[in-house]
Amino acid sequence: EIVLTQSPATLSLSPGERATLSCRASQSVNSYLAWYQQKPGQAPRLLIYDASTRATGIPARFSGSGSGADFTLTISSLEPEDFAVYYCQHRANWPLTFGGGTKVEI
Amino acid sequence: QVQLVGSGGGVVQPGRSMRLSCAASGFTFSTYGMHWVRQAPGKGLEWVAVLSHDGNNEYYANSVKGRFTISRDNSKNTLYLQMNSLRAEDTAVYYCAKVVRSGWYDDYLDYWGQGTLVTVSS
Repeated sequence: EIVLTQSPATLSLSPGERATLSCRASQSVNSYLAWYQQKPGQAPRLLIYDASTRATGIPARFSGSGSGADFTLTISSLEPEDFAVYYCQHRANWPLTFGGGTKVEI
Repeated sequence: QVQLVGSGGGVVQPGRSMRLSCAASGFTFSTYGMHWVRQAPGKGLEWVAVLSHDGNNEYYANSVKGRFTISRDNSKNTLYLQMNSLRAEDTAVYYCAKVVRSGWYDDYLDYWGQGTLVTVSS
């Protein structure tokens, strides 16, 4: 089973700042990685898939990069609605797994 | 618009069974793989199971293999999760989710249900 390790666990930033979130896989997942955003009491929302492709309707301030085992989600300028928990997920093999999450807080 | 409405959750005793349902609308259900993902209270996301659009391919997390069964009825646009031999650690919100690409099942999840809470407790 591929383990995804996200860092940091918590990121304390202010609106307008840049957020950089990391996801590291225990083995290569090629580019088969997605990022999700989850707000309290809500279902996750797909932001990025295949490492760098924005999902439908996702603002351009969200971008993804990386391949192999190291990936980054960047939020170029935080909006108030971006404060949430972010998860990475791979689809390289079975079982699919999620990272433990990074909470972006004010 | 795409809608996934989960139902069937509640409180169940350890060792008992429960079946979750997920009613789909707004897309051609019979052409998309479907997944179940769960989230224990205050914890992260855990992938549970997947079923291909035609029901021919299914995979499970190690933690539920042999106890849970995913199925679908394409004539009713409904996904199911049969959960047997439930344990306290199965307590979670269970989400159904559809994959991005038609015909795929090993794919990312672009629409999610609202989640249904299962509590395993005596």
